[in-house]
Parts: sequence; C-alpha cells; structure tokens
Amino acid sequence: QVQLQQSGPGLVKPSQTLSLTCAISGDSVSSSSAVWNWIRQSPSRGLEWLGRTYYRSKWYNDYAVSVKSRIAINPDTSKNQFSLQLNSVTPEDTAVYYCARSGSGIIVYYSYMDVWGKGTTVTVSS
Amino acid sequence: AIQVTQSPSSLSAFVGDRVTITCRASQGISSALAWYQQKPGKAPKVLIYDASSLKSGVPSRFSGSGSGTEFTLTISSLQPEDFATYYCQQFDSYPITFGQGTRLEIK
Repeated sequence: QVQLQQSGPGLVKPSQTLSLTCAISGDSVSSSSAVWNWIRQSPSRGLEWLGRTYYRSKWYNDYAVSVKSRIAINPDTSKNQFSLQLNSVTPEDTAVYYCARSGSGIIVYYSYMDVWGKGTTVTVSS
Repeated sequence: AIQVTQSPSSLSAFVGDRVTITCRASQGISSALAWYQQKPGKAPKVLIYDASSLKSGVPSRFSGSGSGTEFTLTISSLQPEDFATYYCQQFDSYPITFGQGTRLEIK
C-alpha cells in the first residue's frame, strides 16, 4: 500500500522560499510507472496542479505556467522522496499543499492522482 | 488551458436520493476525466477515472459517464458518508485542471 508522508514548515515569510518534502513508502520515486506531483488548494484558486517529476531513463519535470519561473520539484533517490521549492512567495501562495502520485507507462501522459499525501497548510505571512 | 466547469456548485439532498453532478470541458478531452470526493480536512480521493471506470474499493452506487466535453457523476442512492465536496479533473492535456467543486449537503 503506497503512502505519502509530507513534512515542512507551516509558516513562511513573504519573499522567502517555501520548501516541502514528500516521503514515499510502498513505491519508488524512480519507478518507471509512477509520476510524482504537487498540487495546492486555496479558497481563491481551488485545486491547482503545480508540477511533477518522473524518471524514464532520466529525470523529467514539468511545471504549471503560473509558477514556472519560481518552482523546482526534485527527487531524492537516497531517501525515496521528492520535494517542492517555491521561491519568492507572497500571501497569494497561502494554501494547503498536497503531494500525489499519478500513474503512467513508459510514455508519460497526464493522468489522475491515485494516492495523495495528507496535505500541509502553508501560510505566507510576516 | 482547458477549463472544466462543474454544476451545480452546491446541492442539498436526502439520504437515499439519486444525485447527478455535471462537468463540462471547454474543449474535447475524450475520456480523460476523473472524479474525486473530498471531506473536510482530508485530501481528495479518486472515485472514477477515464470518465466511467470505478476505482477499486469505491462503492458501486457511484458511476460516471460521458466523453468529449460533457460528463456526469451519479450517486444512485445517497448514503450519510457521501455528503462531501466533489471535483472533476481533466488530464487530456497540459496543464491538468480541476473543476471548482460541488458541495453536497444533507437536506
């Protein structure tokens, strides 16, 4: 049974970097049939997909246009986890952040999220 | 980006009622649609994928239909545990997008 355990601070100051980690059990961050995503949810923006990372002979990422200039999603194979970094945050980045798995074959398309972390509430405030 | 619009945004119903929620995509997405249930303080949980495939372990009272631009989620006989918020999500193309949600309340 796959589980995702999120960790990271719940309060970040404006202009600083939001950093969250998602530890994977029951699967591998290097799996050739999984894709690892970050999604956030806020009252103003609803559910918003932020980006993903996956391994298919090499590591790939893609990101939502809305955050592309300030986001990084990175795998950590030694700890079987992946992380989210969002730079230059503003109060608009206040949200519940989720990590989630989606499935895919060797050729990676977009898909639905079949496993979710429990969510981390992040508030951007001084 | 493909917009997905749900209706209604909220709905009141009795236990035992049959309920239908609609999701419309701004362009054709074939069957690349999923439905999720979310309860307060919890992450979304997938119910239906590929528009009409029931996720393993999800009760058979949930069903999905549609293709192209119009999709429906039907709950055949509402149970107390079904009162929650429901979201659709398209995964036909970048970026993945979600509907704004339908809140299902007890009447």
